[in-house]
Amino acid sequence: GAGVSQSPSNKVTEKGKDVELRCDPISGHTALYWYRQRLGQGLEFLIYFQGNSAPDKSGLPSDRFSAERTGESVSTLTIQRTQQEDSAVYLCASSLAGGFAETQYFGPGTRLLVL
Amino acid sequence: GEDVEQSLFLSVREGDSSVINCTYTDSSSTYLYWYKQEPGAGLQLLTYIFSNMDMKQDQRLTVLLNKKDKHLSLRIADTQTGDSAIYFCAEIPFSSGSARQLTFGSGTQLTVLP
Repeated sequence: GAGVSQSPSNKVTEKGKDVELRCDPISGHTALYWYRQRLGQGLEFLIYFQGNSAPDKSGLPSDRFSAERTGESVSTLTIQRTQQEDSAVYLCASSLAGGFAETQYFGPGTRLLVL
Repeated sequence: GEDVEQSLFLSVREGDSSVINCTYTDSSSTYLYWYKQEPGAGLQLLTYIFSNMDMKQDQRLTVLLNKKDKHLSLRIADTQTGDSAIYFCAEIPFSSGSARQLTFGSGTQLTVLP
């Protein structure tokens, strides 16, 4: 597609429920990133996928968070047993091959509110 | 560990220049970026600078890098109301190894007054 797309754009859920967030990267981009942005703060890295390599999960805040990517396409971020502190905007980005000099293109984000 | 700091707010008059400052701690950073975030929108890359450069100019934008002081700035000339947004400084520390995740500052809210 023309850009990175994410769905849903907004999600309201009750504490304790599971949520699944989706990211469609730019076609042909092998690198995909998930970030979290809490209100009034910068972005925190969550997880990074590069081709068929094992993902870098070093940013995931707890074992309630997991992510998958099918080949070099769609990725889903799953949060189990959501907590109120999970409320944030979850941003996905993709880049061509994950190199240092590459631009990361961001999607519009999914705004998650846990009640 | 890596840390990127920015002042939270900046107000300028339309037509004036804006200067947004950022300091970072990882001296091994290779690339430093400026992103713009408008309300309800994703991040838009404005410009970036490689660590062996001191300055980069792109139309109304000028990026200055002082590696000795680990200080990065973004100057917007002739600031317009459409420039009102949150501006994020970001780096990819070399110490991040194989990963390429960006480390972001907390963002500077730029308000352009008519």
